[in-house]
Amino acid sequence: DAGVIQSPRHEVTEMGQEVTLRCKPISGHDYLFWYRQTMMRGLELLIYFNNNVPIDDSGMPEDRFSAKMPNASFSTLKIQPSEPRDSAVYFCASSWGSNQPQHFGDGTRLSIL
Amino acid sequence: AQKITQTQPGMFVQEKEAVTLDCTYDTSDPSYGLFWYKQPSSGEMIFLIYQGSYDQQNATEGRYSLNFQKARKSANLVISASQLGDSAMYFCAMREGWLTGGGNKLTFGTGTQLKVEL
Repeated sequence: DAGVIQSPRHEVTEMGQEVTLRCKPISGHDYLFWYRQTMMRGLELLIYFNNNVPIDDSGMPEDRFSAKMPNASFSTLKIQPSEPRDSAVYFCASSWGSNQPQHFGDGTRLSIL
Repeated sequence: AQKITQTQPGMFVQEKEAVTLDCTYDTSDPSYGLFWYKQPSSGEMIFLIYQGSYDQQNATEGRYSLNFQKARKSANLVISASQLGDSAMYFCAMREGWLTGGGNKLTFGTGTQLKVEL
């Protein structure tokens, strides 16, 4: 079975530009999560969805960040405008049910210059 | 207080030896789950093993086992017969309140970097 697919794998862009990260969860999974990993803060949950509905976005840093899940097989995380402090690895994960392991994509390494 | 504490920033083990990676947690929720993930230098996060708070037996998955001591609030990962490919960062994580519908969030520890030597 295909795992969680994220794109792009790497993104380098200039400050102020819009960045869109994409995620395709594992088919049949009803939960989708966005995480950010940095050296300073470790792994942080940004937002998660259940059946395409955002459940908890308390980890989203500020209004520059937004996430959508228009259907069960696709989600985006958008940063507009981007800032150098947004540089991090962004992971998408999915799971089936509320007590099953989350399976992670390979991550997007984002660098904002 | 930290919800997940991993006190060993780095560990070394010789190939074929067993190694224990420590994890303690803090929660007042009676229902929770504990997870271990492996992150190799290539960056992906790989699920290894899961233990539910109501599970009577310690979880095992191949060479991985979880030493779950509920009263001590510890969930240590034991890797038997270490291999060079086990060299990676290992993260302990907790999910609270799944029975009560408290959410499906994972809180991660800071990780332990394991190096397996010849």
